[in-house]
This record gives sequence, structure tokens and C-alpha cells, in this order.
Amino acid sequence: AQKITQTQPGMFVQEKEAVTLDCTYDTSDPSYGLFWYKQPSSGEMIFLIYQGSYDQQNATEGRYSLNFQKARKSANLVISASQLGDSAMYFCAMRETQGAQKLVFGQGTRLTINP
Amino acid sequence: GAGVSQSPSNKVTEKGKDVELRCDPISGHTALYWYRQSLGQGLEFLIYFQGNSAPDKSGLPSDRFSAERTGGSVSTLTIQRTQQEDSAVYLCASSGSPGLFSYNEQFFGPGTRLTVL
Repeated sequence: AQKITQTQPGMFVQEKEAVTLDCTYDTSDPSYGLFWYKQPSSGEMIFLIYQGSYDQQNATEGRYSLNFQKARKSANLVISASQLGDSAMYFCAMRETQGAQKLVFGQGTRLTINP
Repeated sequence: GAGVSQSPSNKVTEKGKDVELRCDPISGHTALYWYRQSLGQGLEFLIYFQGNSAPDKSGLPSDRFSAERTGGSVSTLTIQRTQQEDSAVYLCASSGSPGLFSYNEQFFGPGTRLTVL
């Protein structure tokens, strides 16, 4: 079975600093996809970034980048130049490649950006 | 609208009552998912619909939970004889046809917050 582990329940960072949110995963599938979602207090899930298991390069999307270390089974999210609006819950998720292709989520990390 | 919509946004019910939650996916999306998020937790998969195929119900926690998707579009999640432990936010997501190497992100609706008294 697939499993996602996020070991940081909460993170506090000063505005404009970079922050790394940890995510490790466990799967026996050779092919999989990894996602990060942001959930602000409004509750909606906002897609941030995707990394495929066969991608040769780390994914980047604006201020978001994914530090993908396949051998260590980690997919940490890096947010550069943090902003007050980045304060939210962040979820790492893995997508199955068979069947329903449902997302398996970690417990999340609550990020708070301090001014 | 362009996104996934859900109704109602909030639902308060009494223990033992039945509730129906509605999801309207993005037009043209063939896959539809229901997830449940309990307070302070990650999302838990409930059920998946793909086109006209039989749904994957492997995540439904009990036989009090059921869902249908009419005409390959709108979906309704029904919880019968609600219990207090059913209190959670119920999120619906949709995506295009699944593919092994496709990006195929899931787009989430705003959720329905269910409170069972």
C-alpha cells in the first residue's frame, strides 16, 4: 500500500525566507506521481506542483520547487521568498498508477509566515 | 462556472438523519472523486467514478455511505443514518481521463462541511 508521511505538523517562517516542507513516501510501484496541494483557511485545495517518478529534473512552478530524491523516497516542497499569503496547510500526495488513480494524502503541515 | 462546485457549503443535521451532498464536476472531466477530511487531518479517499465504468467504492467506510453519478456528470454522496463521527468536510474532485504518464491533476471543489449533532 502507498503511504505519505509529513513529519512537520507546524512550521513558522519569517516573511521573505525560504522554507522546506518535508514529505517522504512509500510505494512498491515503479511508476507514480507526487503532488503538493495548498489548503488555505477557506478550505479549498489548490494544486501547486507535480513530479512524475520518471521525471529527470526536479519540478518547478514559480516560487515552488520540488526537491525529488527518488532513492530516499522524498519529495520535499521548497517555497522561495515566502509571503504572508503562503500561510496555509500544505499536503503532499501520491497518485496511484493503477485502478482509480486516487490520491493518497499525508497529514499535512501547517505553515505560518510571520511578518 | 469553470471549477468544481459543491452544495451545500454547510450542512448541519441531527444524528440518525440522512443527508445528500452534491458535486458538479468540471465540464468534460470523466473522472470524479469523493474524499473526506476530518478536522486537522489529511484527505481520505471514499469513492471514484470513471465514465460509465463501475465505481471504485473501496474507500467507503460503511454501508451507510453510497454515491451515484448521473449521466456521467453530477454526483451525489448520500449518508444514511448519520453518526457524529461522520462530521467532516466532504470534498469532491474531478480530472480528465487517467493516463499512466499524464499530468492529470485533480481539481477540487470547495467542499461541504457536514456537522452531525
